[in-house]
Amino acid sequence: DVKVTQSSRYLVKRTGEKVFLECVQDMDHENMFWYRQDPGLGLRLIYFSYDVKMKEKGDIPEGYSVSREKKERFSLILESASTNQTSMYLCASSYLWGPNQETQYFGPGTRLLVL
Amino acid sequence: GEDVEQSLFLSVREGDSSVINCTYTDSSSTYLYWYKQEPGAGLQLLTYIFSNMDMKQDQRLTVLLNKKDKHLSLRIADTQTGDSAIYFCAESYNAGNNRKLIWGLGTSLAVNP
Repeated sequence: DVKVTQSSRYLVKRTGEKVFLECVQDMDHENMFWYRQDPGLGLRLIYFSYDVKMKEKGDIPEGYSVSREKKERFSLILESASTNQTSMYLCASSYLWGPNQETQYFGPGTRLLVL
Repeated sequence: GEDVEQSLFLSVREGDSSVINCTYTDSSSTYLYWYKQEPGAGLQLLTYIFSNMDMKQDQRLTVLLNKKDKHLSLRIADTQTGDSAIYFCAESYNAGNNRKLIWGLGTSLAVNP
């Protein structure tokens, strides 16, 4: 079974803090994704990565950065957290090649509250 | 641009069938997906259909694809309270050298005993 894990289920941070959200997958997937989910807005793609040290901006990258030093791990960084970054953060992974490359597998999510 | 639309809410009685509908815009999609999200959890892949198929059945789930109208539906037979969740429709599209998913906003299914 594909397993995607996220470092925390719940996080509470203060405005201006640097926040790290970690995601690890065990399926040797090339692609990894970070989304945020907000009521009424669905899933919005923040960043994705298709290889180690490679990254591409998604639809809402402002205020975020990412790091992919190892294939299995993809980190989302909030350089200076703000209250409008309070959200549910979802990590996903998928293959880059093959017949089922688009199928994304999700972690359980991290609910972040910025005070 | 590419878009996926689905109704936001559906309420059914336990034991009835549920039908969740979705429309999409990208005719080059190779796969179309249904994901399920239970409260407080991540998204779980429920089923998917390849774009050259019209129908796919998997136990209580039936997916129908009408490519001409770009319409996708998910039917859940004998709906149970455990089926209460948000259901997301997604289509794949080309993004440079990669393929990504475009997501609908999700349909919240409430199953009443």
